[in-house]
Amino acid sequence: QVQLQESGPGLVKPSQTLSLTCTVSGGSISSGDYYWSWIRQPPGKGLEWIGYIYYSGSTYYNPSLKSRVTISVDTSKNQFSLKLSSVTAADTAVYYCARALGMGYDILAFDYWGQGTLVTVSS
Amino acid sequence: DIVMTQSPDSLAVSLGERATINCKSSQSVLYSSNNKNYLAWYQQKPGQPPKLLIYWASTRESGVPDRFSGSGSGTDFTLTISSLQAEDVAVYYCQQYYSTGVTFGQGTRLEIK
Repeated sequence: QVQLQESGPGLVKPSQTLSLTCTVSGGSISSGDYYWSWIRQPPGKGLEWIGYIYYSGSTYYNPSLKSRVTISVDTSKNQFSLKLSSVTAADTAVYYCARALGMGYDILAFDYWGQGTLVTVSS
Repeated sequence: DIVMTQSPDSLAVSLGERATINCKSSQSVLYSSNNKNYLAWYQQKPGQPPKLLIYWASTRESGVPDRFSGSGSGTDFTLTISSLQAEDVAVYYCQQYYSTGVTFGQGTRLEIK
């Protein structure tokens, strides 16, 4: 059974960089069958996709966040990470990591999710 | 971006009754080469991550009760719960994965009447 677990600081100051890591267990990031993603949810609001990464390092980002987002992968640790720069209060959210099946050129629905971690942006 | 719009925003249904949630996409999510609709439905209970219920618009994920069903094609989709159970109280989201930049609907809150 695949499990994903987010980790990182729960409080970040405005203008600083938010950094989170997702550790995958029960399966290998390097299997090549999946894309690994970050999704966020502001308190009481809906879901916003942030971006994907493939084990090779290929990335796809939400255009609205692209200038501030970097997603990277460490296959040796079976982890992938999110960095979001120049944060403001609007970036306060629960951040989820999730897995999506890759099929040919398609990236499919998210079948496994982490429990999420709340990151608050405040001085 | 493909904009996903759900209706209604909230819904109250009696136990044992049918619940219907709609989702409309701003452009078709039907891929003509394989005749598949790139549309998923998720259920999110308080304090939990979303759970995948349905993909390809109508295929139930393993372990999802058969009272949940998805239908529709192109731009208009429906999630139906045939007989509402107490444990179905949640927020439901549709999501398109037709484009690499996936997008979600705003969510529909389902409660017991």
